[in-house]
Amino acid sequence: DAKTTQPPSMDCAEGRAANLPCNHSTISGNEYVYWYRQIHSQGPQYIIHGLKNNETNEMASLIITEDRKSSTLILPHATLRDTAVYYCIVRVGMNRDDKIIFGKGTRLHILP
Amino acid sequence: DTGVSQDPRHKITKRGQNVTFRCDPISEHNRLYWYRQTLGQGPEFLTYFQNEAQLEKSRLLSDRFSAERPKGSFSTLEIQRTEQGDSAMYLCASRDSLFDYGYTFGSGTRLTVV
Repeated sequence: DAKTTQPPSMDCAEGRAANLPCNHSTISGNEYVYWYRQIHSQGPQYIIHGLKNNETNEMASLIITEDRKSSTLILPHATLRDTAVYYCIVRVGMNRDDKIIFGKGTRLHILP
Repeated sequence: DTGVSQDPRHKITKRGQNVTFRCDPISEHNRLYWYRQTLGQGPEFLTYFQNEAQLEKSRLLSDRFSAERPKGSFSTLEIQRTEQGDSAMYLCASRDSLFDYGYTFGSGTRLTVV
């Protein structure tokens, strides 16, 4: 079973920041938080991952709480192309526990 | 290299027929994964390979399903005696086990069993 809890859906206005929450209260010390998204009719796409520090790349920012029990994915300036299902996943990194277990994710609608 | 390729993109088959899907991973990736996704659900893990060795199989992978990666490059997933419940999107992903970056997924093969 997935180890994360996400809201089933969210709306965000185009041009605004989209903040997608994820709860992972049972996360272990050696588990990373990963985010993927799946645009309609495509395979999932890796976005970002982190262990305990906040991370930023060209796609998004990942904010992890100090107790690591929750995190937030931030898309700073959402566009219509960001409409997708976003999956928050926890897993041990570096080859151990290699498969990804997906939950149902959050369906993000970007509104024009 | 243009990413992970899957063929065909769509397949319609009659119940009871056998089908085979192909996945071509990114060439330097030694790990290859198969997932299945039904409508409204996240992808479900089926199996994965490191080079030509099949390292793990989900209990979702019944004996009608078989996957191979004979030379450690492309992989095939065969479903024998298809059932309507096999209708789904079949996704392939690959990654280099030396790096813990994200998996790269293909666009999938959509199977419809009629």
